[in-house]
Amino acid sequence: QSALTQPPSASGSPGQSVAISCTGTSSDVGAHKYVSWYQQHPGKAPKLILYEVTERPSGVPDRFSGSKSGNTASLTVSGLQAEDEADYYCVSYGVPRMFGGGTKLTVL
Amino acid sequence: EVQLVESGGGLVQPGGSLRLSCSASGFTFSTSWMTWVRQTPGKGLEWVTTINPDGSTKDFLDSVNGRFTISRDNAKDSLFLQMESLRAEDTAIYYCARDRAYSTLDYWGQGTLVIVSS
Repeated sequence: QSALTQPPSASGSPGQSVAISCTGTSSDVGAHKYVSWYQQHPGKAPKLILYEVTERPSGVPDRFSGSKSGNTASLTVSGLQAEDEADYYCVSYGVPRMFGGGTKLTVL
Repeated sequence: EVQLVESGGGLVQPGGSLRLSCSASGFTFSTSWMTWVRQTPGKGLEWVTTINPDGSTKDFLDSVNGRFTISRDNAKDSLFLQMESLRAEDTAIYYCARDRAYSTLDYWGQGTLVIVSS
């Protein structure tokens, strides 16, 4: 099985919104609601920012939101801030669990 | 405070073995699914293996199945990854993470680096 497909890079200016897509198949992303998103700053461990497509863990700003349509899930970061510059990964439940290839978000 | 602390990484020759450990605190380890995820330096994340709370269910990435073994000691709040027949492509930072449900990895350790090289 191939990894989920994410764009390698995305960018936006402070205050803008940016969306990052995560495309799988009807066997993974399209099959259920168990898609999660992780933020990773350089040299740090990943951090959970969204789960079950739209749910935010406690402490994650509501600037981070998620959606899904068919086999594609999306993470939207609104009101971009400098600290949002990081790598973002999606994950879909399954066997194997599928990670996306990651998207480097640059805040211009 | 939740903590996951990995240890056991290092330099090993191709074909060699290594055992990683992950010590957990701050949550109920004995009722938690646990996962190992790896990251090749400068590259993306890759799921490796997951174990259920009592150790009776284990899933593996195809490329490590038969070479890696996941286990746990709930009495000691510890997770293990026994890696055998190591290959250069196993070189990565290995993270342990709690899997709260269906691949929602809510707690992560800081990672331990494994280098497979002669």
